[in-house]
Amino acid sequence: AQSVTQLGSHVSVSEGALVLLRCNYSSSVPPYLFWYVQYPNQGLQLLLKYTSAATLVKGINGFEAEFKKSETSFHLTKPSAHMSDAAEYFCAVRNQAGTALIFGKGTTLSVSS
Amino acid sequence: ETGVTQSPTHLIKTRGQQVTLRCSSQSGHNTVSWYQQALGQGPQFIFQYYREEENGRGNFPPRFSGLQFPNYSSELNVNALELDDSALYLCASSFTGELFFGEGSRLTVL
Repeated sequence: AQSVTQLGSHVSVSEGALVLLRCNYSSSVPPYLFWYVQYPNQGLQLLLKYTSAATLVKGINGFEAEFKKSETSFHLTKPSAHMSDAAEYFCAVRNQAGTALIFGKGTTLSVSS
Repeated sequence: ETGVTQSPTHLIKTRGQQVTLRCSSQSGHNTVSWYQQALGQGPQFIFQYYREEENGRGNFPPRFSGLQFPNYSSELNVNALELDDSALYLCASSFTGELFFGEGSRLTVL
């Protein structure tokens, strides 16, 4: 069965600092992996996705993630944090049937000036 | 602007009541999924509809039911509400597999 684990429920960075949000996955088949962002009182917005093409995936708003099969990881990074990046971030893996996403518990990113 | 709209945005019910939540999918999207997001948790898959048929279901009891209409809009019905049903209910539509989420309906059960 597929699952994801997000390490760290809360990450705090200073504006301009590197952002690193960690996600490890478990999957019995080659995974399709996703990162979503959720701003307060809003739905989920897709940041980027990995679908077995390039292992380094670039997304919106300057975010990128690298798929590492040997480490079963799909960590999200951004070189320089901006105040507007403060939000909840969710890692997800598609289920084997292809009918649903299985989400992690989320990581809250705080950005201080 | 994702094009997925949900109603109502907020509602309050009491235990034992029934609720219906509505979702209009993005134009051209024939698949609708529903997720429950409890406070401080990630979304959990309830079910998915494709061309008016349920084609996937998560670990939710039968009192959670749904419909998809010919125009691909959808309803989520929850009977016999329990306190633990308090959550944000998210609808997502898709056509090629990528999910586009609405802003959700926040249900409070007292």
